[in-house]
Amino acid sequence: DAGVIQSPRHEVTEMGQEVTLRCKPISGHDYLFWYRQTMMRGLELLIYFNNNVPIDDSGMPEDRFSAKMPNASFSTLKIQPSEPRDSAVYFCASSFGRAQETQYFGPGTRLLVL
Amino acid sequence: KNEVEQSPQNLTAQEGEFITINCSYSVGISALHWLQQHPGGGIVSLFMLSSGKKKHGRLIATINIQEKHSSLHITASHPRDSAVYICAAPGGGADGLTFGKGTHLIIQP
Repeated sequence: DAGVIQSPRHEVTEMGQEVTLRCKPISGHDYLFWYRQTMMRGLELLIYFNNNVPIDDSGMPEDRFSAKMPNASFSTLKIQPSEPRDSAVYFCASSFGRAQETQYFGPGTRLLVL
Repeated sequence: KNEVEQSPQNLTAQEGEFITINCSYSVGISALHWLQQHPGGGIVSLFMLSSGKKKHGRLIATINIQEKHSSLHITASHPRDSAVYICAAPGGGADGLTFGKGTHLIIQP
């Protein structure tokens, strides 16, 4: 398996623009997690899905952020409109089973909002 | 929400030294994760443990569930061990992870 795939790997955009980050989990995994990493706050959970259903989105910063998982092999994280404080590395991870199972991380998307 | 604390935040050591990184958490958990983040940014899961001790090569992870404490040890450290080590715990009933701030380890030759 190719592991968790994220695209794009790097994104530079201007404030106010819409940004869409994409993730393909490992085949067969039923949990998908979106995390954000910044220098100030470290790694934080944004939202996670189980069997394509959002379970906990309490970490989503505000209404500008939305996430979908239309099928078992694809998820998106959208920011609209983007702001400079959204600049961070966004990681997607997947696992088979709950938090007591190993999570496999994608390479991350490095987002810079100017 | 689980509060996860790591120490030290930064650690510089000489090649060959025995390394210990500590992690404590506030809420009882089913398993604790140790992750490694390479200088290039990629994150790899090292261990997931719910009791006792696990060993993989020169890395050893231990956990004390009663004391809500875990340690990651590196024996015979090597410059290639230089990375950020992060512990993470399920967030108090939820399945997503709450992370410590990480320990930035540098092993000098």
